[in-house]
Amino acid sequence: AQSVTQLDSQVPVFEEAPVELRCNYSSSVSVYLFWYVQYPNQGLQLLLKYLSGSTLVKGINGFEAEFNKSQTSFHLRKPSVHISDTAEYFCAVRSTNAGKSTFGDGTTLTVKP
Amino acid sequence: EAGVVQSPRYKIIEKKQPVAFWCNPISGHNTLYWYRQNLGQGPELLIRYENEEAVDDSQLPKDRFSAERLKGVDSTLKIQPAELGDSAVYLCASSLAKDWGSTGEQFFGPGTRLTVL
Repeated sequence: AQSVTQLDSQVPVFEEAPVELRCNYSSSVSVYLFWYVQYPNQGLQLLLKYLSGSTLVKGINGFEAEFNKSQTSFHLRKPSVHISDTAEYFCAVRSTNAGKSTFGDGTTLTVKP
Repeated sequence: EAGVVQSPRYKIIEKKQPVAFWCNPISGHNTLYWYRQNLGQGPELLIRYENEEAVDDSQLPKDRFSAERLKGVDSTLKIQPAELGDSAVYLCASSLAKDWGSTGEQFFGPGTRLTVL
């Protein structure tokens, strides 16, 4: 079994400030890790993914995430946010030997001017 | 390239009525997923298809939910009869590679927002 915990349900920040959205996971097997963004009334869009190799992965829109195996974390970061980054962000895990993805409950990022 | 298409985008029905959602995946994607997303939560898998075969339907409430993907392309998810607790967004996603042993990046449609009164 696998699970995902997104530690913050809401994160308000000011424009141009840095932001970190936290994600911890639990799994008894190796996993792939994903971050998705969901804008209002839209489906989920992949931001970035960790499959193997370098633990620091870069995604679209200036986001990056770092895989920490010992702490079972995959936190999402951006050094300077824009108003347009306001959205819901979901962390997801998938075991490397099965197809089912498990999503966290999401973090609402609100960027204020 | 067109993305995953879903219709309708919104549906309001009274409880005990039937409802159906339609999904057309990205061309060439053999894997199709139906998710339910309750308010304030992440998506939860209902059913996954590899071509026309349902390979994971363990989370599908089979007493009232059914799905089909007859020709391995588009798919329909049905609820009959609908209950108040079925109010949610129903997301369809597709991917190119088989899930097992691969990354199987999923591409999501915009969803159908169902309200049951």
